[in-house]
Amino acid sequence: GAVVSQHPSRVICKSGTSVKIECRSLDFQATTMFWYRQFPKQSLMLMATSNEGSKATYEQGVEKDKFLINHASLTLSTLTVTSAHPEDSSFYICSARASGGVGETQYFGPGTRLLVL
Amino acid sequence: DAKTTQPNSMESNEEEPVHLPCNHSTISGTDYIHWYRQLPSQGPEYVIHGLTSNVNNRMASLAIAEDRKSSTLILHRATLRDAAVYYCILRGGGSNYKLTFGKGTLLTVNP
Repeated sequence: GAVVSQHPSRVICKSGTSVKIECRSLDFQATTMFWYRQFPKQSLMLMATSNEGSKATYEQGVEKDKFLINHASLTLSTLTVTSAHPEDSSFYICSARASGGVGETQYFGPGTRLLVL
Repeated sequence: DAKTTQPNSMESNEEEPVHLPCNHSTISGTDYIHWYRQLPSQGPEYVIHGLTSNVNNRMASLAIAEDRKSSTLILHRATLRDAAVYYCILRGGGSNYKLTFGKGTLLTVNP
């Protein structure tokens, strides 16, 4: 099956610093990648949709200047949390939709746990 | 996006079938019905999806009501590794592929 990886799997940073999370589709090309955030005991919340080579589309309430998304290739998208604060501590998950075909299935990464001190 | 309603939790015994219900009375004609599951501290995993007809794959079966206002995910023989939160999601037709996750059903499998 299709595999999506995320790096790092967990990160601890100081308040005010920036953190970059990578999402890679390992064995397929991803036209579209999605970034989600999940707080403890809550469901996934979609943050943004990114298409290769174009600007990301952010969901309402998500600050695009704080959560920078780059999707420079068909296999890599990055999410940078700028000037992180403790309230940004969360589980960040990406997913990728394969190019071509109906592309109904999204393949999810294992998630990145961010702790901001 | 049309809304889905699922029970908060369900319990089953190992090696017995599990039927996870989902109501989606406001489904539109072009909405796909998707099921994903999420094990603790992991990203979600695709289970199955369908539009109108029942679907089978190696993981599960999806039974879709004739009026499409409800569906049931069937795990034929539950194992301990099937313990997870199961999400029933409607994906609108067209080129917008984003998924809106609800609260899902927490499935507990007893040994």
